[in-house]
Amino acid sequence: KQEVTQIPAALSVPEGENLVLNCSFTDSAIYNLQWFRQDPGKGLTSLLLIQSSQREQTSGRLNASLDKSSGRSTLYIAASQPGDSATYLCAVQRAGNNRKLIWGLGTSLAVNP
Amino acid sequence: KAGVTQTPRYLIKTRGQQVTLSCSPISGHRSVSWYQQTPGQGLQFLFEYFSETQRNKGNFPGRFSGRQFSNSRSEMNVSTLELGDSALYLCASSTSWNDGYTFGSGTRLTVV
Repeated sequence: KQEVTQIPAALSVPEGENLVLNCSFTDSAIYNLQWFRQDPGKGLTSLLLIQSSQREQTSGRLNASLDKSSGRSTLYIAASQPGDSATYLCAVQRAGNNRKLIWGLGTSLAVNP
Repeated sequence: KAGVTQTPRYLIKTRGQQVTLSCSPISGHRSVSWYQQTPGQGLQFLFEYFSETQRNKGNFPGRFSGRQFSNSRSEMNVSTLELGDSALYLCASSTSWNDGYTFGSGTRLTVV
């Protein structure tokens, strides 16, 4: 059974810091892994999608890596800003017929001015 | 390009009532999935539709049902509402099985 864990559950950093959010999963048979951002009371915004054959994806100040063999992904945020404050969720898409996303519980990030 | 549209944004219902939520996917997206998000359980998969057919279903009671129309719009229905059904219901659409998902803003359901 696929399980997704995100560490830490919460993180508070001063503005300008580089930071890393971690996501681990128990079954390496995945199609892809997707990182999302959720602002309080809002829906989900897709940040980065990494296909199972890829090692990393980059978008602006964000870089996500994927290591299927070890069941890990990291989301690197460079030069953090107060506007980055949100909950960050990772989700893996299972391989096989059931395409559902399996989610971590998220990392709540606060970037302090 | 319009995103995924969910209506209504907020709902307050009484226990025992039923509710219908609507989701309009991005134009051209044929796959629609529904998720329930609660503080305690996080995001849980409800069901997925593709070309009007339910392809997968999560571990929810039969009170939760859905359907997809020929224009790919989807509805989910919850009958005999319980307090525990209070949650944010999120809809996501996708072009194909490996293209990632785009989510709507969700419908916040409160059962009193």
